[in-house]
Amino acid sequence: GAGVSQSPSNKVTEKGKDVELRCDPISGHTALYWYRQSLGQGLEFLIYFQGNSAPDKSGLPSDRFSAERTGGSVSTLTIQRTQQEDSAVYLCASSPYGISSGANVLTFGAGSRLTVL
Amino acid sequence: KQEVTQIPAALSVPEGENLVLNCSFTDSAIYNLQWFRQDPGKGLTSLLLIQSSQREQTSGRLNASLDKSSGRSTLYIAASQPGDSATYLCAVRPRSGGSNYKLTFGKGTLLTVNP
Repeated sequence: GAGVSQSPSNKVTEKGKDVELRCDPISGHTALYWYRQSLGQGLEFLIYFQGNSAPDKSGLPSDRFSAERTGGSVSTLTIQRTQQEDSAVYLCASSPYGISSGANVLTFGAGSRLTVL
Repeated sequence: KQEVTQIPAALSVPEGENLVLNCSFTDSAIYNLQWFRQDPGKGLTSLLLIQSSQREQTSGRLNASLDKSSGRSTLYIAASQPGDSATYLCAVRPRSGGSNYKLTFGKGTLLTVNP
């Protein structure tokens, strides 16, 4: 596609429910990133995919968070048993190259705003 | 651990003014620095990317400078317009190591340009 697409744009859920956030990167982009933006905080790195592999999951806040990427394209971020502190904007980005490229400009999606009541 | 600070946190200026946004970082071992713009409810739009070997980059009314040794970057906006109102974020990519794909972001400067 022309840009990075994320869905849903807004999600309100009750504490304890599971949610899935989807990211559709730019076609052909091999690298995909998830970041979280909490109110008043900077963007926090969550996970990085190169192709379908996730070399670094260290940014995931807890084992309630998981992510996968299939076909080198769409990625899903799943949050199980949501808590109020999970409320944030979840941003996905993709880039055409892997980490070796210095001019590796990330293109971000519009984000998924999650509110846990 | 890299820390990125942006000052001021918020800035309000009248239309037509030239302005400077500041970004500082604690670890000078960076690969590049990137300035983004974020409109309310939107994602991030990349404005300028400066490689560690470069001193500045220009795009239209925007000019970004980088002084790696002092850990500072500035974003200069000339002849500001109401449409420039947004949050401006800077982010640094580490130069080396196994995690040089991780950008470290500042918390941003909220710019309001008043007509």
